[in-house]
Amino acid sequence: DAKTTQPTSMDCAEGRAANLPCNHSTISGNEYVYWYRQIHSQGPQYIIHGLKNNETNEMASLIITEDRKSSTLILPHATLRDTAVYYCIVRLQGAQKLVFGQGTRLTINP
Amino acid sequence: GAVVSQHPSWVICKSGTSVKIECRSLDFQATTMFWYRQFPKQSLMLMATSNEGSKATYEQGVEKDKFLINHASLTLSTLTVTSAHPEDSSFYICSARAGLAGGSAGQETQYFGPGTRLLVL
Repeated sequence: DAKTTQPTSMDCAEGRAANLPCNHSTISGNEYVYWYRQIHSQGPQYIIHGLKNNETNEMASLIITEDRKSSTLILPHATLRDTAVYYCIVRLQGAQKLVFGQGTRLTINP
Repeated sequence: GAVVSQHPSWVICKSGTSVKIECRSLDFQATTMFWYRQFPKQSLMLMATSNEGSKATYEQGVEKDKFLINHASLTLSTLTVTSAHPEDSSFYICSARAGLAGGSAGQETQYFGPGTRLLVL
């Protein structure tokens, strides 16, 4: 599976949009981009995933560049409860496992 | 999303004893379950992958005789830490995946349990 690069940490003000970047320059055509987050002392929570097109659900939006070498997770109106470590993972469709990197520690400030 | 539960949520045991952790998919059938371990301030590390009815596949460096995995049904997998030692103290997290390889994207998503914190004294 392709490797991803994320900033170690980010801060965002409550109520603002939080934009979390992820670089996956070696992604191949049949690899999906998944985003999970882990709030302290809990199991990871699925957020969203996509292949080529931008995706939106009730939690977030995923913007994937046309060349698919990077993506951005957008939390449109961040709240204090969005403080967590966010993991961007690239995985082959149907592949067995998710491999976690170090993620981005997002802190939402009041 | 789908719900995965783990039991117990935390456990304290003496060195040398064995501890069993259960992972259940509550509202879907999980053909594949995964066990991860997470040490403080580190990311999740995959320990093993188990498919229902077959032997688990362990990641490199994980002792299969120490971490026994059973996936006897489509909704239950267990991890037994045998002869636990203080260095086995960690946060153990399971995840479950529904559907078959090549199925719809929704079926491929992995859902995680809340984790089990193990402290070995």
